[in-house]
Amino acid sequence: DAKTTQPNSMESNEEEPVHLPCNHSTISGTDYIHWYRQLPSQGPEYVIHGLTSNVNNRMASLAIAEDRKSSTLILHRATLRDAAVYYCILSESGAGSYQLTFGKGTKLSVIP
Amino acid sequence: DSGVTQTPKHLITATGQRVTLRCSPRSGDLSVYWYQQSLDQGLQFLIQYYNGEERAKGNILERFSAQQFPDLHSELNLSSLELGDSALYFCASSVGSDRINYGYTFGSGTRLTVV
Repeated sequence: DAKTTQPNSMESNEEEPVHLPCNHSTISGTDYIHWYRQLPSQGPEYVIHGLTSNVNNRMASLAIAEDRKSSTLILHRATLRDAAVYYCILSESGAGSYQLTFGKGTKLSVIP
Repeated sequence: DSGVTQTPKHLITATGQRVTLRCSPRSGDLSVYWYQQSLDQGLQFLIQYYNGEERAKGNILERFSAQQFPDLHSELNLSSLELGDSALYFCASSVGSDRINYGYTFGSGTRLTVV
């Protein structure tokens, strides 16, 4: 199984950018990189995903290294509502199915 | 509201009992996934259904079973409950089944407490 490595926790000041790193040195050529976040007492929430190129959406940006062995989720201006556990996940596809395997994630604290 | 509906939100039951958790996927989504989240294990994938058929199995115990009905809602049945089954159970849905190029949408979960 392709695995990811993330720091256990990070802190950020409110309204500053946050860069959440993820290492995935065993990624295969067809694995997508997904980011989800889970706010306290809620279900996980999709943030962004990508394959090779950098991706932007209204929530965040995803920067993918050229060799695809690492990626960084960028929150451009952290707010208190961004305090959550952020999961970096590689999609695993079998015959006619896929599932996302969640690791421990990074707990992001936002300081007012 | 994510569009994925899970009922009930909370459930308290005794050891040895059987419960059924229900999930209605987001409109248009054909795949349903069940996850278990306990304090010490994190989010564990249990099982996936796509358009009524089982597609993938994860760490699902033999005491647990699931199905997806023609209207695409899904039920997770947990039997012979043990204290260790106490957890949050999440359902997620997505449009397709294979080689994802889109995200999952999660429900808000069912908190099961076994006493």
